[in-house]
Amino acid sequence: ELKVEQNPLFLSMQEGKNYTIYCNYSTTSDRLYWYRQDPGKSLESLFVLLSNGAVKQEGRLMASLDTKARLSTLHITAAVHDLSATYFCAVDWALGKLTFGTGTRLTIIP
Amino acid sequence: SAVISQKPSRDICQRGTSLTIQCQVDSQVTMMFWYRQQPGQSLTLIATANQGSEATYESGFVIDKFPISRPNLTFSTLTVSNMSPEDSSIYLCSVRPSDTYEQYFGPGTRLTVT
Repeated sequence: ELKVEQNPLFLSMQEGKNYTIYCNYSTTSDRLYWYRQDPGKSLESLFVLLSNGAVKQEGRLMASLDTKARLSTLHITAAVHDLSATYFCAVDWALGKLTFGTGTRLTIIP
Repeated sequence: SAVISQKPSRDICQRGTSLTIQCQVDSQVTMMFWYRQQPGQSLTLIATANQGSEATYESGFVIDKFPISRPNLTFSTLTVSNMSPEDSSIYLCSVRPSDTYEQYFGPGTRLTVT
């Protein structure tokens, strides 16, 4: 059974600081997703990582994938209040069947 | 990309009743998925809805409780049967278009069972 662990579960950051969210998974997969969820909303796709060493960046967010270590990271640079949300990683184990991490609730403090 | 709509967006239902949730996609997709997000929790896959065949359920979910229909390549329904308060969750439809690696989620149906 595929297990996906995220840490930390909760993260309070000051504006302007950098931090990283970690996503570890237990079995081989070549496809990993990062989503953002605002309170009461659905999921917004941030990144799709398709191969070992993949790195994608959008604004203040950068995601990477190491399939050998079964690890993905979501790095936040110079955090701003608008980034406050819950972030999920999800591992594709069979053509669209995703196992989600526990989520990281990020709060940016002015 | 794919645009997904769900109906209803939310509902409050009594224990013992059933609710059918509709999912409509703006393009034809082979595979549609139903996920559940319990309050304050992550998402869990309920089942895969394939057009022309029976839905495939994940461990812990059964057809009698969550019957699914997939009459065509743009539409699916999920029924939550004989509801109890433990079924209070957000139910999300998801699709993976064949020409992309993206996986899209609908806006969700927020169900409260009293």
